[in-house]
Amino acid sequence: DTGVSQDPRHKITKRGQNVTFRCDPISEHNRLYWYRQTLGQGPEFLTYFQNEAQLEKSRLLSDRFSAERPKGSFSTLEIQRTEQGDSAMYLCASSSSENTEAFFGQGTRLTVV
Amino acid sequence: AQTVTQSQPEMSVQEAETVTLSCTYDTSESDYYLFWYKQPPSRQMILVIRQEAYKQQNATENRFSVNFQKAAKSFSLKISDSQLGDAAMYFCAVGNKLVFGAGTILRVKS
Repeated sequence: DTGVSQDPRHKITKRGQNVTFRCDPISEHNRLYWYRQTLGQGPEFLTYFQNEAQLEKSRLLSDRFSAERPKGSFSTLEIQRTEQGDSAMYLCASSSSENTEAFFGQGTRLTVV
Repeated sequence: AQTVTQSQPEMSVQEAETVTLSCTYDTSESDYYLFWYKQPPSRQMILVIRQEAYKQQNATENRFSVNFQKAAKSFSLKISDSQLGDAAMYFCAVGNKLVFGAGTILRVKS
């Protein structure tokens, strides 16, 4: 098991473009979380899944953000019509169940120019 | 709703000394867990210690221990015999969806 994998590691995009990030959790982990982190700040909760079901999406999150986990394994996070304020590190984490240790990926760093 | 507050943006400790990082939280969950995570510079977040809210006994993991005060909704992390490798950003997190605080930068002086 190689841990949580995120792809790509870095993404530079022009404002207004759509981007999609992928997260491959540790196999057999039921829970999958997405966070956004800016420099010097804590991870900001975006959404989380239990298998393929999206349990909650942050109310602070714009409608431009959507996440899926179609087969309960990997997940994708899409940002439509990117804005400069979307520039951040996007972190994915997985855990075997609720309240157990979450393992984090290395993140995808998004830069919107 | 869940909120986590870490009131110390930055802390310093001398090598081999003890330091305590503060965390307060609020949650509507009746049964929940609390976590401390460590994020070294440019590296992945890793779990330091976990506490079950229904357990009164404070969790301990080698040099790391917590002081959990449920009524006060306080969850501090104590690092004993600090080492240079402890230098990192430390985050407190709570609940099923893992809500994080803003973090405390810990600097260790040799």
